[in-house]
Formats: sequence, structure tokens, C-alpha cells
Amino acid sequence: DQQVKQNSPSLSVQEGRISILNCDYTNSMFDYFLWYKKYPAEGPTFLISISSIKDKNEDGRFTVFLNKSAKHLSLHIVPSQPGDSAVYFCAATATPNTPLVFGKGTRLSVIA
Amino acid sequence: SQTIHQWPATLVQPVGSPLSLECTVEGTSNPNLYWYRQAAGRGLQLLFYSVGIGQISSEVPQNLSASRPQDRQFILSSKKLLLSDSGFYLCAWTRLGVGGNTIYFGEGSWLTVV
Repeated sequence: DQQVKQNSPSLSVQEGRISILNCDYTNSMFDYFLWYKKYPAEGPTFLISISSIKDKNEDGRFTVFLNKSAKHLSLHIVPSQPGDSAVYFCAATATPNTPLVFGKGTRLSVIA
Repeated sequence: SQTIHQWPATLVQPVGSPLSLECTVEGTSNPNLYWYRQAAGRGLQLLFYSVGIGQISSEVPQNLSASRPQDRQFILSSKKLLLSDSGFYLCAWTRLGVGGNTIYFGEGSWLTVV
């Protein structure tokens, strides 16, 4: 049973436009959420996180929104750049010492 | 600053051969350590995690094993590889942050079992 779901395996966006990557979760105990970016044959790199006490966290071009009642979070990238093309993983955890649970990832392609 | 290294970066192994992937973390003490695997269509699958020396939790039953002989060393092993073991293996460690933990990954090891 997947506790973290990324239902869109891929997404294509034009350069300069907004990219919106979505993530749903089923475990109501999750209280900390993260997004990772991964290029082929490299380890994922941490992008941005959000605690359940917030509904929005912004870092430059990246903003994560959390809707606890819907058990949904999204990552917005504005404006999208070709270098943003990568696989994005959503992850969640319930307590600081429990392992992160990852979604299957969404491959973002930003077209120039 | 903290760094994580894993090796080898790539390897091609025949079915039935043993495996040893090694990971070390520098610049921190008593980290939580993890082994993940990225296989096609399956995202990032947690294989093992460790909260201390000699303490290993297995998430997925399979022919792989993990060991933590030292505080900052984590080893992934197999006695006999299967074709299905092919994938991209990632070591990771946790830094506790406000409200939760952020996990940091190594460079990855690409294993092809032939």
C-alpha cells in the first residue's frame, strides 16, 4: 500500500511557465514533508520541506503548499528553467527518527 | 561540513556472485543511515536503516543484508545476486532538523546483474 503517491509519472512544461508537481499521502500521522530533485545516475538532492504546522514554504523559485485536510501537497516552480528538468520525489515522515517514505517520482521536462 | 560517499559507483556482476557496497559519512557522529534502491517504475525503495552500530532494520525481505560495523560506515551485501537486484543503490544519512529530519544522499551505485 503506497502511503505517498505521485500520480503523474511525467510532466512537460514550457520554459518560463509554472510547473506544478502534485503529491498525495494517506498516513495522517505524517507531519513533515520534503521534495527531492534527482538527475540520472546521481543521488537525489534535497530541495525544500514543509512542516505540518505550515501551509506554505517558499525558497526562491520553489514553493511547497500543504493541504492537510486533503492530505495533499504540491511543489510550484516559477519560472521553470531547462535545468529544472529532472525527476522530483515527494517524501514524508511521521517523527524525526522514522525513515522517509518516498513517492515514485514525477519526471519534469522543461522545454525551451 | 558533512559529506557522504559510497562506492563503487558502477559495477556489473554475474548472477550468483556476491555484492558489497560501502558507504561512509564524514563530519558528523551517530547519524541514522539508510540504503535505498531506485528501480525502474518503483521510485525510491527503502531497504535498510540503522540508528546505531550493529542496529539494522530491514524494510524489504530479500537476499540483501546490511551491516554497520562502525558509527559512520554502512555496508550493503549479498551472498548471491539475482537479476532482480539490478538497480541504482543509494546510501543516505539523516540530519535532525526543526520539525523533522532531512535526508542526504550519496552519489549512488549503479548495479547491473547479468
